[in-house]
Amino acid sequence: AQSVTQLDSQVPVFEEAPVELRCNYSSSVSVYLFWYVQYPNQGLQLLLKYLSGSTLVKGINGFEAEFNKSQTSFHLRKPSVHISDTAEYFCAVSDQLDDYKLSFGAGTTVTVRA
Amino acid sequence: KAGVTQTPRYLIKTRGQQVTLSCSPISGHRSVSWYQQTPGQGLQFLFEYFSETQRNKGNFPGRFSGRQFSNSRSEMNVSTLELGDSALYLCASSDGQGPDTQYFGPGTRLTVL
Repeated sequence: AQSVTQLDSQVPVFEEAPVELRCNYSSSVSVYLFWYVQYPNQGLQLLLKYLSGSTLVKGINGFEAEFNKSQTSFHLRKPSVHISDTAEYFCAVSDQLDDYKLSFGAGTTVTVRA
Repeated sequence: KAGVTQTPRYLIKTRGQQVTLSCSPISGHRSVSWYQQTPGQGLQFLFEYFSETQRNKGNFPGRFSGRQFSNSRSEMNVSTLELGDSALYLCASSDGQGPDTQYFGPGTRLTVL
């Protein structure tokens, strides 16, 4: 089974500053990668996904992520955050060997301050 | 399209009782997956149903069970509740073909007293 490591549990950041959330996964022949966001008292919302093709993936709300196969990483970035980006962010991975079941990281809580 | 809906949104039960949670997927989706979210264990996969058959299962005891109906709606049942079953239970739907996006519902918050 895949495992996912989110290297930062908490990331405080000032409004309009850039943010990077780090995600590493265990190696596999072919993986599919996702970033989800969870706002308080809500379910998970997809930010972006990598299935194949270009390693730079653009998502909603100005987020982007880069798939790096050699480093088994899928870091999420946003050049300028807003107060409304305060939320918990989850990296997830799936592969065919595991019937495309999603395995999630522990999550990173982003707190944006004015 | 309407999103994934879960009922009820909140539940309070006592130890030893059983509970049934419901999930209605996005129209046309045939796969429903269930996850348990707790502060200590994070998001853990419970099971997935596809076309009324359990296709995948996580590492949870047999007290946790589920089923899926012909209209793709799914229910999850937990019997003999324990304090540690207190969690947010999320369901997600997808078309079930390959690495497609899973769309999550708002969750059911279960508190066991």
